Amino acid sequence: AQTIHQWPVAEIKAVGSPLSLGCTIKGKSSPNLYWYWQATGGTLQQLFYSITVGQVESVVQLNLSASRPKDDQFILSTEKLLLSHSGFYLCAWSLGEGEQYFGPGTRLTVL
Amino acid sequence: GDSVTQTEGLVTLTEGLPVMLNCTYQSTYSPFLFWYVQHLNEAPKLLLKSFTDNKRPEHQGFHATLHKSSSSFHLQKSSAQLSDSALYYCALSEQGTGSKLSFGKGAKLTVSP
Repeated sequence: AQTIHQWPVAEIKAVGSPLSLGCTIKGKSSPNLYWYWQATGGTLQQLFYSITVGQVESVVQLNLSASRPKDDQFILSTEKLLLSHSGFYLCAWSLGEGEQYFGPGTRLTVL
Repeated sequence: GDSVTQTEGLVTLTEGLPVMLNCTYQSTYSPFLFWYVQHLNEAPKLLLKSFTDNKRPEHQGFHATLHKSSSSFHLQKSSAQLSDSALYYCALSEQGTGSKLSFGKGAKLTVSP
């Protein structure tokens, strides 16, 4: 069975500090991978998607970047956090088109 | 472009009453429609997915039917339970893209005794 793991579970960071969030999926070969952001009380906003290793497409620019260094790994990062980066970050996977399955998420608080 | 419009904001029901959350969409091609449910402090989970062959998906007492004539995929349940209290999102994926899931703004369903 496939499993999706996100790290860290939660993070408290200072404005201006760097950030790296990770996502790993096991049990699926060459999945499509996605990053979403959800502000507190807000809807889900897709940030990036990747269909294959080394290729990442940006959907919304939020002063964040993403990379896919391995088939099963997706990284979200920034060199300088803003207060507006606070929220719930979700990684998701799919096999081709259709439904996506979400990881447990990382809750980020920027102070 | 493709988009989803759904029941938004707070929806309050008494246990035992029927649930109806609306979802309409605009799409250039043949889309897949989904309902996701997100309980407090959890990740969204897939609740229902539309079929291309007019079958009506059902899960946990919820069902939804894709009506292409009216571009709708309303979520229904005959009798609300306390455990149904959650955020519900309608989402759309265009066939042939595989890359973008467009979410509605979400409805917070609260079921009270």
